[in-house]
Amino acid sequence: RKEVEQDPGPFNVPEGATVAFNCTYSNSASQSFFWYRQDCRKEPKLLMSVYSSGNEDGRFTAQLNRASQYISLLIRDSKLSDSATYLCVVIMNYGGSQGNLIFGKGTKLSVKP
Amino acid sequence: NAGVTQTPKFRVLKTGQSMTLLCAQDMNHEYMYWYRQDPGMGLRLIHYSVGEGTTAKGEVPDGYNVSRLKKQNFLLGLESAAPSQTSVYFCASSYLGATTGNTIYFGEGSWLTVV
Repeated sequence: RKEVEQDPGPFNVPEGATVAFNCTYSNSASQSFFWYRQDCRKEPKLLMSVYSSGNEDGRFTAQLNRASQYISLLIRDSKLSDSATYLCVVIMNYGGSQGNLIFGKGTKLSVKP
Repeated sequence: NAGVTQTPKFRVLKTGQSMTLLCAQDMNHEYMYWYRQDPGMGLRLIHYSVGEGTTAKGEVPDGYNVSRLKKQNFLLGLESAAPSQTSVYFCASSYLGATTGNTIYFGEGSWLTVV
């Protein structure tokens, strides 16, 4: 089983739709979680960290479920500018050594007019 | 404010040639990373550095070498390029290591083709 798995999509949704992505991770020792956004032929940029209690940033809501080992990203009222690939990122610490960021392969979102 | 700058942005190499990718950051970050991104594979860590003069192997280090002689620069070297090293390379940096609340900043990427 891959360490971090995401549905690659693409998710094709109309403007104004609500869309949700899930990401599962295999290592229960995973400590920290993020969602990054990557536009075509551009570098990844941090969208939001994911906290245990869940967190919201405008139209974006992130949730963490440690028992089931998955995180989710909900985008409400989708905009054309939300079209991008969304990367799930998990940090795993191994016995106190430098934590390693593990990237999912990304979920592609395409918002249509 | 330049952030993380990578050079060159594009390069075509012949098999067996050598080259160096330069990453420079102006944020006084301790940690620097080199990733490669291939279609359907996601980002994979090649090497990283936790401070000036230190380097460590990541997930896919074979065929690459790195150096961190100055805090602001992290060099990625290909001694003898192979077609399997055709990829997009991203450099990144962060103030602390990978922890919650610590943002990792990426450069714009370097597109390398080995023919």
